[in-house]
Amino acid sequence: ETGVTQSPTHLIKTRGQQVTLRCSSQSGHNTVSWYQQALGQGPQFIFQYYREEENGRGNFPPRFSGLQFPNYSSELNVNALELDDSALYLCASSSGLAGFGGELFFGEGSRLTVL
Amino acid sequence: KQEVTQIPAALSVPEGENLVLNCSFTDSAIYNLQWFRQDPGKGLTSLLLIQSSQREQTSGRLNASLDKSSGRSTLYIAASQPGDSATYLCAVRGQGGSEKLVFGKGMKLTVNP
Repeated sequence: ETGVTQSPTHLIKTRGQQVTLRCSSQSGHNTVSWYQQALGQGPQFIFQYYREEENGRGNFPPRFSGLQFPNYSSELNVNALELDDSALYLCASSSGLAGFGGELFFGEGSRLTVL
Repeated sequence: KQEVTQIPAALSVPEGENLVLNCSFTDSAIYNLQWFRQDPGKGLTSLLLIQSSQREQTSGRLNASLDKSSGRSTLYIAASQPGDSATYLCAVRGQGGSEKLVFGKGMKLTVNP
């Protein structure tokens, strides 16, 4: 069974640039969630995708957007990067009914540094 | 708004001790609660999931309990080992199977040989 994989593992961008992070869900999982974890903090929910549609969003501005593909993999896009976007971005997959309630399994994360 | 608290923020103990990690949440209307482990700079590893109808779950040396009415969960680690050193986070999912988990800030555990 393949776990959740994320790429890239580390990246450095400058303020104002755009970034795309990628996630492959665990085999058999149809739901992908994205979380942002700042240093020393717990992860914060960004959004969730189920069957290629966003079905939940946290308190993040519209410049955070995402996609889910037919194979359930997902992308997180962040436009107009700000210094405060520097964080570990975590992808999680689950297989709950209609995207809700299932146990979450996380990837290793993508560490984004914005200079 | 659900808030999750883990106190203390850090704990250092000698090897072999039995440990109790605490997690409290403000809204008792939860669907489930999940405990995670995070090694430095890494992702989260799921340790235990407790549904709201359950009182406890066990996996090896780990036992998690849930008292939904009082808004508390504890993670018990038996016979701690240096390899248990990590940050432990608890997270709750709202009733109805809300799409998101609400996390605490975590507790950094150091087990000294």
